[in-house]
Amino acid sequence: DVKVTQSSRYLVKRTGEKVFLECVQDMDHENMFWYRQDPGLGLRLIYFSYDVKMKEKGDIPEGYSVSREKKERFSLILESASTNQTSMYLCASSLNLGGGSEAFFGQGTRLTVV
Amino acid sequence: TQLLEQSPQFLSIQEGENLTVYCNSSSVFSSLQWYRQEPGEGPVLLVTVVTGGEVKKLKRLTFQFGDARKDSSLHITAAQPGDTGLYLCAGRHSGTYKYIFGTGTRLKVLA
Repeated sequence: DVKVTQSSRYLVKRTGEKVFLECVQDMDHENMFWYRQDPGLGLRLIYFSYDVKMKEKGDIPEGYSVSREKKERFSLILESASTNQTSMYLCASSLNLGGGSEAFFGQGTRLTVV
Repeated sequence: TQLLEQSPQFLSIQEGENLTVYCNSSSVFSSLQWYRQEPGEGPVLLVTVVTGGEVKKLKRLTFQFGDARKDSSLHITAAQPGDTGLYLCAGRHSGTYKYIFGTGTRLKVLA
């Protein structure tokens, strides 16, 4: 069974803290993604990685950075957490890009910044 | 970022009823996907459509891609409580890898 695992289901952090969200996939996929999900806004792409150490900004990268040191692991970093980063964060991976490529999602991390 | 508009935003129906969810955009997509997300879980892919006018069936779910590839619909026949969830459409423009996600339709089917 394919699996994308996010390290935490729930996180509560203080404003200004540096926050790490971790994601691991066991499918040997090249491509990994970080999205945030907010009511009425759907999923918005934060960052995308197509290979180890390779990354590309998505639609809303401001205030975030990412790290991909190993193929199976993709980390999202909030350099200095702010209350407007309170959201559900979803990690995904896919074998291919475009066409009928299927994205496999983790269970999500609900982050609250107080 | 252009979003795909989904309607209705919320839908609560009785078991056994039929329903249709719509996904609309002003731009053309080369492919469109539908996902279902259950509470506390990530989205799971249901179907991908790539040809204008294409119809795909998955048990009681029927998906249609508009002729102009700007819109799509999801029809559920005889809804069951297990169909409860958030339904998301996602479209991809030609020449890009990114899927743009819709605003979502939250469906609740009451027993």
